[in-house]
Amino acid sequence: GENVEQHPSTLSVQEGDSAVIKCTYSDSASNYFPWYKQELGKGPQLIIDIRSNVGEKKDQRIAVTLNKTAKHFSLHITETQPEDSAVYFCASEGTSYGKLTFGQGTILTVHP
Amino acid sequence: KAGVTQTPRYLIKTRGQQVTLSCSPISGHRSVSWYQQTPGQGLQFLFEYFSETQRNKGNFPGRFSGRQFSNSRSEMNVSTLELGDSALYLCASKISGSQETQYFGPGTRLLVL
Repeated sequence: GENVEQHPSTLSVQEGDSAVIKCTYSDSASNYFPWYKQELGKGPQLIIDIRSNVGEKKDQRIAVTLNKTAKHFSLHITETQPEDSAVYFCASEGTSYGKLTFGQGTILTVHP
Repeated sequence: KAGVTQTPRYLIKTRGQQVTLSCSPISGHRSVSWYQQTPGQGLQFLFEYFSETQRNKGNFPGRFSGRQFSNSRSEMNVSTLELGDSALYLCASKISGSQETQYFGPGTRLLVL
């Protein structure tokens, strides 16, 4: 089945710096890649997603890039703020609709 | 528009008991997926329902089951609880069966003693 590897597991940055989280997937049939942010005591919240017909997508300080040939995708957060501190998950969805396969998560800490 | 709601939010059970968790999707959403989240295994897919039919199932034992009602609300049931079933159970809804954004609820925290 599909496997998603996410790195790093923890990431500590200073406020204003950029943060990059990378994921690789195994199933070449995967074609939808969402990123979720999970704060303590809450369910995951979608922050950005990308489909396989697009190489890059941006939404203000957040961007995602996708390299289908290499089977990896990355989350880029610029000008980080303390409120960006949370656990971030990448995921993929292929032909099994409704089934997201998640990476192990990255704990992002932004120091003021 | 109200988000995904899950009840109860917290639950304590003992080994051998059974439990039923409820999920109300966003209005108009017909697909509901369930996930188990644990520190060791992360987020794992349990099953997905669309129009009252289970379309996908993850690698969980038969003790884990679910159903969906005609109003798209869904329940999941775990029978003969084990200590390892302690987890955060999340449901997510989306509009239809095609690849779309899944919106998650706050989860039900289950503790099995």
